Amino acid sequence: DAGITQSPRHKVTETGTPVTLRCHQTENHRYMYWYRQDPGHGLRLIHYSYGVKDTDKGEVSDGYSVSRSKTEDFLLTLESATSSQTSVYFCAMGTPLSYEQYFGPGTRLTVT
Amino acid sequence: GQSLEQPSEVTAVEGAIVQINCTYQTSGFYGLSWYQQHDGGAPTFLSYNALDGLEETGRFSSFLSRSDSYGYLLLQELQMKDSASYFCAVREEANDYKLSFGAGTTVTVRA
Repeated sequence: DAGITQSPRHKVTETGTPVTLRCHQTENHRYMYWYRQDPGHGLRLIHYSYGVKDTDKGEVSDGYSVSRSKTEDFLLTLESATSSQTSVYFCAMGTPLSYEQYFGPGTRLTVT
Repeated sequence: GQSLEQPSEVTAVEGAIVQINCTYQTSGFYGLSWYQQHDGGAPTFLSYNALDGLEETGRFSSFLSRSDSYGYLLLQELQMKDSASYFCAVREEANDYKLSFGAGTTVTVRA
């Protein structure tokens, strides 16, 4: 659905460079999440946010930081990209009133 | 830590029934969700169980047994479009809106 978008959709970058992925939602959802998806691992939570400027770490947060200055935007930054961060990154949103998470289309990141 | 186990692959023919099991070991348990993901697409929500029993949504049903730390997703009258990956996910606490996902089950439907 157009309620949540991610940019860029594809990116190739070199080891050691900083990378920022953007997630934008138009649903005014309070909770937002960043996951990475790798073969054999399902979806693993990197960071999540439960409101503006309120963020917390997930299970695979090393090497990643996030920021949420507005309800609609949740940014994921790789300070110095490594080849192990080559993955598909999904953003998701949700509300306390629902057990459902809505996912964005994903960003395929390749670190060479 | 948390652990969710589900089979990696299942193959079946059109019209058949497939059951995808999910067993979990988590520090807490509030509910079990199922998501579907087609190749190259985003995960989409299918169902949620917080209480023991069967929840039916069209051709898909989901079951939960909290005492056995076990649930399953039942796909009936399989269609080619059901070829996808299916993930179970646990929400551990009422006030914690994070999900822990299993590694996924790839379902292949053959004609």
